[in-house]
Amino acid sequence: GAGVSQSPRYKVAKRGQDVALRCDPISGHVSLFWYQQALGQGPEFLTYFQNEAQLDKSGLPSDRFFAERPEGSVSTLKIQRTQQEDSAVYLCASSLGSRDTQYFGPGTRLTVL
Amino acid sequence: AQSVTQLDSHVSVSEGTPVLLRCNYSSSYSPSLFWYVQHPNKGLQLLLKYTSAATLVKGINGFEAEFKKSETSFHLTKPSAHMSDAAEYFCVVSGTKGYSTLTFGKGTMLLVSP
Repeated sequence: GAGVSQSPRYKVAKRGQDVALRCDPISGHVSLFWYQQALGQGPEFLTYFQNEAQLDKSGLPSDRFFAERPEGSVSTLKIQRTQQEDSAVYLCASSLGSRDTQYFGPGTRLTVL
Repeated sequence: AQSVTQLDSHVSVSEGTPVLLRCNYSSSYSPSLFWYVQHPNKGLQLLLKYTSAATLVKGINGFEAEFKKSETSFHLTKPSAHMSDAAEYFCVVSGTKGYSTLTFGKGTMLLVSP
């Protein structure tokens, strides 16, 4: 079946612009995670959803970052007033249950100029 | 808090020779450990996972890893490298909460030469 998909795959933004990154999880997966992967680093946890509830947003680096999953399926990560340090690959992962194997999407590479 | 340390940022091998990617973990509890592989422009793929069952874990594509509590290690091995194994490999530990927030190492780039 279809895996996790993310769009756009690449995004270039000028500093100060707002961006929205989309994640389509595997159908039926209750849990959804967002990670940020800076160049040359491993992914770092940003936030976690169980269905539509955002249960953990401890990894969001600033209040410019906002995530939602209003119907418990598709999720959007929004970054307001982008800064150069926001340049990274943003990865989405979903799992059937909260401690089941996470399946990752291909990521969105964000470049802020 | 849990953490993982990947001891090599790059490992170079020749095709057909053994692969060893080293990982040490730090955790105050019995952890769940994983190895993920990331090919260029592709998503992270799970190679194998340890969840307190057998200490020798077999994964996909001929990879395996051994959990050694006394050494706090979870090294990844493969008897014979293939060109298609060239990729970045991440050692990962799972958090203790009711949901699995994953903590990744910095990654090891595996280079395979003909």
